[in-house]
Amino acid sequence: LAKTTQPISMDSYEGQEVNITCSHNNIATNDYITWYQQFPSQGPRFIIQGYKTKVTNEVASLFIPADRKSSTLSLPRVSLSDTAVYYCLVVSYSSASKIIFGSGTRLSIRP
Amino acid sequence: DTEVTQTPKHLVMGMTNKKSLKCEQHMGHRAMYWYKQKAKKPPELMFVYSYEKLSINESVPSRFSPECPNSSLLNLHLHALQPEDSALYLCASSQPTENTEAFFGQGTRLTVV
Repeated sequence: LAKTTQPISMDSYEGQEVNITCSHNNIATNDYITWYQQFPSQGPRFIIQGYKTKVTNEVASLFIPADRKSSTLSLPRVSLSDTAVYYCLVVSYSSASKIIFGSGTRLSIRP
Repeated sequence: DTEVTQTPKHLVMGMTNKKSLKCEQHMGHRAMYWYKQKAKKPPELMFVYSYEKLSINESVPSRFSPECPNSSLLNLHLHALQPEDSALYLCASSQPTENTEAFFGQGTRLTVV
């Protein structure tokens, strides 16, 4: 499984766009890039997933360059409720998928 | 229904006790997972069940014993735990195919005394 590296923490302010970058140099052909959000004492929640180029949903955008060795999660116009830990994962789907979490980025949003 | 329900929410047990954690989902998912999470650390994968069969055991000590009675239920049987096993135990489910998300329960906060 490809190891992921992301910043330990980030700070931003309400209304700003936040970009969290994740490095996954050893990503394999069949791997997908997936991001989860976790609030304290809750289970992680799926945010977005992509294979290449750009994916957008109602919550976030995911940018993946052609070499797929990194990815950027973009959160538009963050609010205080976006304060959480964000995990970047590389997942190889099979009949027994290993969903392995890296160390995550602790995002703090200030008023 | 996109919920994964875990019971109990909190559990305190002695080192000689036997207890079980329960997890239930009704999304028709055929892959189910147990994770252990310590404070300020990422979730650590413990077990994966695929089509009700244990497919991944991440070298978890035998005092943790998983069970998947049917496609909707997942149990984690606990016996002779140590204080360092105190953690948040998370259950998740997904379809064992490409491009699917995993749904997590709220977890069971376990304290071993």
